[in-house]
Amino acid sequence: GAVVSQHPSRVICKSGTSVKIECRSLDFQATTMFWYRQFPKQSLMLMATSNEGSKATYEQGVEKDKFLINHASLTLSTLTVTSAHPEDSSFYICSARDAQAGGLDEQFFGPGTRLTVL
Amino acid sequence: AQTVTQSQPEMSVQEAETVTLSCTYDTSESNYYLFWYKQPPSRQMILVIRQEAYKQQNATENRFSVNFQKAAKSFSLKISDSQLGDTAMYFCAFTQTYNNDMRFGAGTRLTVKP
Repeated sequence: GAVVSQHPSRVICKSGTSVKIECRSLDFQATTMFWYRQFPKQSLMLMATSNEGSKATYEQGVEKDKFLINHASLTLSTLTVTSAHPEDSSFYICSARDAQAGGLDEQFFGPGTRLTVL
Repeated sequence: AQTVTQSQPEMSVQEAETVTLSCTYDTSESNYYLFWYKQPPSRQMILVIRQEAYKQQNATENRFSVNFQKAAKSFSLKISDSQLGDTAMYFCAFTQTYNNDMRFGAGTRLTVKP
């Protein structure tokens, strides 16, 4: 149980285009999902927290108009990178918190999406 | 703001031996959770072990155990009987309360040598 999927796993796009990444909780409901970015040989940096049915909360320094997050259902959150540029190339990871998990406070991570902007 | 510090960028250990990875954190809160995650070359984040701050007993999961020193804000991971499959990046992580975000340390790259 507690599986999180991401689609696509890899994407290559041209500079100036937009890319959508999906994050799904497959066997549980996730009221909260998180989006992280990981540059090569670095740690995970939280970009935003996504709550179902409400606007995402962005970390300082993350452009909300560039990284659009939608959490329309309890099992799906999407991250859209708008007008992508080469510096947006990175590994994007989502995680989800099980709404029924009680006090365990564990996040389940997706396998990540590697974005390359040419 | 909560911070997590891993001061060992890289470590290596011989197969079957024991290794300890260090982690310190900073918070003014009394209730929180601490985690160790493993990230193998596939980059899938795998939960290794977790500790609730209100529990005094150190968590243990098979070959993995922690030394949780709340007063010192220290949370080290001990891997016993190291195996080649333990080779990975290890991240220490902190989350303050239920539904809060998770903060990660910079990571320690562990290599298990045959």
